[in-house]
Amino acid sequence: GAVVSQHPSRVICKSGTSVKIECRSLDFQATTMFWYRQFPKQSLMLMATSNEGSKATYEQGVEKDKFLINHASLTLSTLTVTSAHPEDSSFYICSARDTGADTEAFFGQGTRLTVV
Amino acid sequence: GQQLNQSPQSMFIQEGEDVSMNCTSSSIFNTWLWYKQEPGEGPVLLIALYKAGELTSNGRLTAQFGITRKDSFLNISASIPSDVGIYFCAGQRMDSSYKLIFGSGTRLLVRP
Repeated sequence: GAVVSQHPSRVICKSGTSVKIECRSLDFQATTMFWYRQFPKQSLMLMATSNEGSKATYEQGVEKDKFLINHASLTLSTLTVTSAHPEDSSFYICSARDTGADTEAFFGQGTRLTVV
Repeated sequence: GQQLNQSPQSMFIQEGEDVSMNCTSSSIFNTWLWYKQEPGEGPVLLIALYKAGELTSNGRLTAQFGITRKDSFLNISASIPSDVGIYFCAGQRMDSSYKLIFGSGTRLLVRP
């Protein structure tokens, strides 16, 4: 299947700082990418839909000013957690759909964020 | 956010046994997907179902898309230790957003 790469895989940051997570589609173009958050022993919860060249669409209850999403190219979306707090510690996962093929979305390997 | 009802929550079985898990929803989906997630990794797609009533196999895995479009099940036959992980169902909405709604997950442990 298609490859979606996330970077970094793990990050530890101090409270109050910002962290950027990258999601790249390596061998296909993705008009749409999705960002999920997963707390320990819980399911994946959709945070936002990232659209290339336009504003992201956020799910209810997700603060758009705290979780900044940029999708500047067809192969890259970034999620920036601003002014991070310990409660933002979680596993963040992106997925991407191949724009040119009617296939399901492929997931990145996830980013473990720990805010201390 | 919305979640699908997935059961059982966890299963601890003997190697060689068959496993069955299912998902139900109050909403209709046009696609059902089953994923496996291992610790510290993203989900990996196992089976995708596109038509109501569809029964699809992938090796020892078999999944069905319910006739009502509101449910799906996954069976794993002759389980092996590497089947250990968390299995998630996911429904894709009947619109152009391609958003996935995930089930709560089934944690599978296999005793050698």
